[in-house]
Amino acid sequence: DVKVTQSSRYLVKRTGEKVFLECVQDMDHENMFWYRQDPGLGLRLIYFSYDVKMKEKGDIPEGYSVSREKKERFSLILESASTNQTSMYLCASRYRERNTGELFFGEGSRLTVL
Amino acid sequence: GESVGLHLPTLSVQEGDNSIINCAYSNSASDYFIWYKQESGKGPQFIIDIRSNMDKRQGQRVTVLLNKTVKHLSLQIAATQPGDSAVYFCAEFPWSGGSNYKLTFGKGTLLTVNP
Repeated sequence: DVKVTQSSRYLVKRTGEKVFLECVQDMDHENMFWYRQDPGLGLRLIYFSYDVKMKEKGDIPEGYSVSREKKERFSLILESASTNQTSMYLCASRYRERNTGELFFGEGSRLTVL
Repeated sequence: GESVGLHLPTLSVQEGDNSIINCAYSNSASDYFIWYKQESGKGPQFIIDIRSNMDKRQGQRVTVLLNKTVKHLSLQIAATQPGDSAVYFCAEFPWSGGSNYKLTFGKGTLLTVNP
């Protein structure tokens, strides 16, 4: 079975802190994604990565950056956390074939910024 | 841009009944649709998909219907069980050269199954 592991289920940070959210997948997927999930807004794409060292902005990249140094790991970075970044963050991965939208999601990381 | 929306934010059914969850989309160029299920405290999980050259696809206890004329998608769950209680998302996967990796998710419908 595909496994997508997010390093932290719950985090509490202070405004201005730098935050790292880590995601690891074990199926050699090329594509990886970071979404945030907020009540009433559904899932919104922050960043995605085609492959190692490749990244592209999603719909809401402001205030975030990412790193993909190894194929299995995709990190989301909040350079200076703000209260409006309090959210559930979901990592996902998928095979690169063009005609499938099946994403494999991690369990999520719930971030609270005080 | 494209949008994917849901008609009802919540749906409550009795165990054993059939459930129908609806989804509307606005981009007539969309060609691939997926339903995901998200249980409390977990990440979304793929249920079933359908391509635009089909109008119906069946899985185990689930059926997805696609009506391209009115840009409507539905998920039918037969003999709903308590374990089906979750948030259900539809997602749109446009077949365009630059963004064929990018899903657009709807806002979700909460399905509650009463015993």
